[in-house]
Amino acid sequence: DTEVTQTPKHLVMGMTNKKSLKCEQHMGHRAMYWYKQKAKKPPELMFVYSYEKLSINESVPSRFSPECPNSSLLNLHLHALQPEDSALYLCASSPGGSSRVLHSAQYFGPGTRLTVL
Amino acid sequence: GENVEQHPSTLSVQEGDSAVIKCTYSDSASNYFPWYKQELGKGPQLIIDIRSNVGEKKDQRIAVTLNKTAKHFSLHITETQPEDSAVYFCAAPNYGGSQGNLIFGKGTKLSVKP
Repeated sequence: DTEVTQTPKHLVMGMTNKKSLKCEQHMGHRAMYWYKQKAKKPPELMFVYSYEKLSINESVPSRFSPECPNSSLLNLHLHALQPEDSALYLCASSPGGSSRVLHSAQYFGPGTRLTVL
Repeated sequence: GENVEQHPSTLSVQEGDSAVIKCTYSDSASNYFPWYKQELGKGPQLIIDIRSNVGEKKDQRIAVTLNKTAKHFSLHITETQPEDSAVYFCAAPNYGGSQGNLIFGKGTKLSVKP
């Protein structure tokens, strides 16, 4: 089973709202990722959790707040977003954490299409 | 950090023809090269990957070749079908910046005409 699930599929929110995106995997993967993807662009890394600890924050604004409650779950809390934050938010997981010797495949979820009004 | 360039940005082929997408990378230490297929409205799907200890890998109609000396790798799709139409991304690991992260090429939109 190489499935990563994400909820909700679509989300529309105002700039003053607080919402959360959820991601789940049951493959026993120890690294989980949040990416942001704008139309016709490749995914851009936002955060990486390795063994449930935040290992990479790609200088993401504080209005995005990640959380990893356990090894299977990853949340992205959203607050006071801007219209330019509208995008497809992708979650991914991989078997290991960062490894220079043997890099491991990342498996993506279907994404949450976020629209900020 | 790693830099990945991907060509072409768009590719149109007739059903049954072959399609080739090429990527170059900059970090000679990179040792893992995945390819993703992204259909409209979906997340990227890993379709094939190759590690630096092999030069070619095949899986049915798709194959990936790697030339470490020249620092480039290519995706080959044979006997293309309309369902192969999608955006394809190559990637390579970034060791210089966010270690363990993947750096993606800009993508190739493949259209297979029936």
